[in-house]
Amino acid sequence: GAGVSQSPSNKVTEKGKDVELRCDPISGHTALYWYRQRLGQGLEFLIYFQGNSAPDKSGLPSDRFSAERTGESVSTLTIQRTQQEDSAVYLCASSLGGQGSYGYTFGSGTRLTVV
Amino acid sequence: AQSVSQHNHHVILSEAASLELGCNYSYGGTVNLFWYVQYPGQHLQLLLKYFSGDPLVKGIKGFEAEFIKSKFSFNLRKPSVQWSDTAEYFCAVNALGFQKLVFGTGTRLLVSP
Repeated sequence: GAGVSQSPSNKVTEKGKDVELRCDPISGHTALYWYRQRLGQGLEFLIYFQGNSAPDKSGLPSDRFSAERTGESVSTLTIQRTQQEDSAVYLCASSLGGQGSYGYTFGSGTRLTVV
Repeated sequence: AQSVSQHNHHVILSEAASLELGCNYSYGGTVNLFWYVQYPGQHLQLLLKYFSGDPLVKGIKGFEAEFIKSKFSFNLRKPSVQWSDTAEYFCAVNALGFQKLVFGTGTRLLVSP
């Protein structure tokens, strides 16, 4: 597609429920990143995928968070047993190559609210 | 570890005023530097980037940034802001050889007409 597509755009969930967020990167972009943006804070790195290499999961805040990506296509970020502190905008970005030097193209994000 | 500091969290200016947003990073090696902008209700967009060469980089909408290696800085400037520049601005750094961008906490700019 022309841009990075994320769905849903908004999600309200009850505490303790699982949620799944989806990211569809730009075709041909081998690298895909997930970031989290809490209210009033900067972007917090979560996870990075590059081709078929093992993902860099160093930013995942707990084992309730996981992400998958099939090849160089869609990625899903799953949060299990959601907590109120998980409320944030979850941003996906893709990039031409595995080096951050290419810069990112961001999606519009998924606003997650845990009530 | 890399980190990025944006010292101004909120900036309020009148139209036609000059703008300078500070950005400092901590990393001793070669870096690529970026400014992203997020207009109200829109997604993050690349404003400008520095890879090498001329340390004065020009971006879209009249913005520019200067890389000063000795100061580890990459400040964003615009000589005359417009109401439409109201947005949040993020500085980001990528250390050569590392895969991810590290972002600052952002500066929220409000331009009053």
